[in-house]
Amino acid sequence: DGGITQSPKYLFRKEGQNVTLSCEQNLNHDAMYWYRQDPGQGLRLIYYSQIVNDFQKGDIAEGYSVSREKKESFPLTVTSAQKNPTAFYLCASSIDSSDQPQHFGDGTRLSIL
Amino acid sequence: GQNIDQPTEMTATEGAIVQINCTYQTSGFNGLFWYQQHAGEAPTFLSYNVLDGLEEKGRFSSFLSRSKGYSYLLLKELQMKDSASYLCAALSNTGFQKLVFGTGTRLLVSP
Repeated sequence: DGGITQSPKYLFRKEGQNVTLSCEQNLNHDAMYWYRQDPGQGLRLIYYSQIVNDFQKGDIAEGYSVSREKKESFPLTVTSAQKNPTAFYLCASSIDSSDQPQHFGDGTRLSIL
Repeated sequence: GQNIDQPTEMTATEGAIVQINCTYQTSGFNGLFWYQQHAGEAPTFLSYNVLDGLEEKGRFSSFLSRSKGYSYLLLKELQMKDSASYLCAALSNTGFQKLVFGTGTRLLVSP
């Protein structure tokens, strides 16, 4: 079945460590997105990519980095510069970056030890 | 600016009808999405409105008034499994089509 796979489901990070969250899709979608979800707040856009080998900062990109070397993959690295990384991270994709609905993965919950 | 408002929480009874409202102020508005999200899971797409009016999909309907900056999601014949958060998201075209999400409305359906 086609879909979006995020791994791991739960991730723990020590202070000062970088961690990478995986996002893979087999929907042949051009556009991919990373969001952060915190209690009492709406989803906030971290980075997006409209096409392979291209990506742009979203509203809260500081302390994060991404790559888009393959169409199906859009990993997110949470660096030590992100001072409040504990959150639920959601990856999404859409056919293109027009008005097509975004489809979401099951998320990764990141916690700081 | 970008602002989406929806109630934080609502309760309803199994078999009833509930309406979840959403107001928005979004530059470059280009449509309104509704998503359902069960706790700890992925949001799933419910509906998309770009023109004024009502769109019906089975037990779920969504309405949009662009002049009033207002949308609602109507859920009929409520079932226990409808207990979830409902996310309103406005599509904003400011050089890139971006979704601006509200905080979500948590709906609790009781027997």
